[in-house]
Amino acid sequence: GENVEQHPSTLSVQEGDSAVIKCTYSDSASNYFPWYKQELGKRPQLIIDIRSNVGEKKDQRIAVTLNKTAKHFSLHITETQPEDSAVYFCAASRDNTGKLIFGQGTTLQVKP
Amino acid sequence: SQTIHQWPATLVQPVGSPLSLECTVEGTSNPNLYWYRQAAGRGLQLLFYSVGIGQISSEVPQNLSASRPQDRQFILSSKKLLLSDSGFYLCAWSGDYQRAGELFFGEGSRLTVL
Repeated sequence: GENVEQHPSTLSVQEGDSAVIKCTYSDSASNYFPWYKQELGKRPQLIIDIRSNVGEKKDQRIAVTLNKTAKHFSLHITETQPEDSAVYFCAASRDNTGKLIFGQGTTLQVKP
Repeated sequence: SQTIHQWPATLVQPVGSPLSLECTVEGTSNPNLYWYRQAAGRGLQLLFYSVGIGQISSEVPQNLSASRPQDRQFILSSKKLLLSDSGFYLCAWSGDYQRAGELFFGEGSRLTVL
């Protein structure tokens, strides 16, 4: 079945450094790739997404890149801050519904 | 604006007992609704989705069932809980048109089966 692999599982950076999380997907028909941030005990919240008709999208300190040929996409966070500490999930879907295949998650720790 | 609520927030249940989690959405009509489960330290897995009243699709075989008795109400149930049913259950609705595919989650229900 469809699968999304996410790496690394944990990531620790110093405040101000950049963080990169990578995901690969198996279903070549996937066309929507969101990223969610989940703080401890809270609901996941969408932070950025990208659709298959673009290769890159940026929103302030957060950017996502998509390589359809290689079937991978990445989340880039620049100038990290302690409040960026959370679990980040990538996901993919193929039919513009909420039927998402999620990666396993990356626990990001930003050290002050 | 649209809001989504689910309850209860936490519950501890013995093995073999029944379960009912409820979710309601406000501010939108005929939403697509979803139940996801998150096991400890893991990603989210889609359990059920619904495109309308009485229309339920199951993504994985399991000990759970879902129902949609009203347009904006989605219920997750079990007749007899198993230890493996423990987890964080999230109800969600999805956007359409320009926001097609975006998921908006409820606050979550943490279930512990003992």
